[in-house]
Amino acid sequence: QQQVKQSPQSLIVQKGGISIINCAYENTAFDYFPWYQQFPGKGPALLIAIRPDVSEKKEGRFTISFNKSAKQFSLHIMDSQPGDSATYFCAAGGSQGNLIFGKGTKLSVKP
Amino acid sequence: DAGVIQSPRHEVTEMGQEVTLRCKPISGHNSLFWYRQTMMRGLELLIYFNNNVPIDDSGMPEDRFSAKMPNASFSTLKIQPSEPRDSAVYFCASSSVPNSGNTIYFGEGSWLTVV
Repeated sequence: QQQVKQSPQSLIVQKGGISIINCAYENTAFDYFPWYQQFPGKGPALLIAIRPDVSEKKEGRFTISFNKSAKQFSLHIMDSQPGDSATYFCAAGGSQGNLIFGKGTKLSVKP
Repeated sequence: DAGVIQSPRHEVTEMGQEVTLRCKPISGHNSLFWYRQTMMRGLELLIYFNNNVPIDDSGMPEDRFSAKMPNASFSTLKIQPSEPRDSAVYFCASSSVPNSGNTIYFGEGSWLTVV
């Protein structure tokens, strides 16, 4: 019940395209769903986050779509750029403050 | 703000040796987390502390691993004895309160290689 399943494992997108990464969770006690971005040699850093009381959150080119009934959420990167090439992790958290991470998606944006 | 500070950044050690990883959380944060990252298993939560007290250590792989937080500004993760399968990147992270919705800030990691 503590797992967060993320797909795909890797993704190649052309510059200007849309990158879509999907996650699913099981534990309905989770109430915080962030996405983290990690560049090689660095620690993960918060990109965008959503709570289950809204179905979508947009920040610039990044959008989270959330489907509470399906227990799924996704990250959309519009107009993908080579600088977006990184590993993306979805996560889910509850009242304790800890986060359970998906296994990550390595995104490569080709110029 | 200096961010979460980890040391050492890189460590190469021989099997059987003791390894100690250190972490200084962001000042004012009262939750601290230790994660391990590998290609196979991704980011695994090992243990986390609230107000210096260990809350959940169920992710600690075995008795060879131990973690302490003697005060609000310092934590250690110790592996004794180390084994090659412990090779991974170990991240320390901190957040301001033990409530959901607060950003967890990661350090840059300690890259451990056990040969």
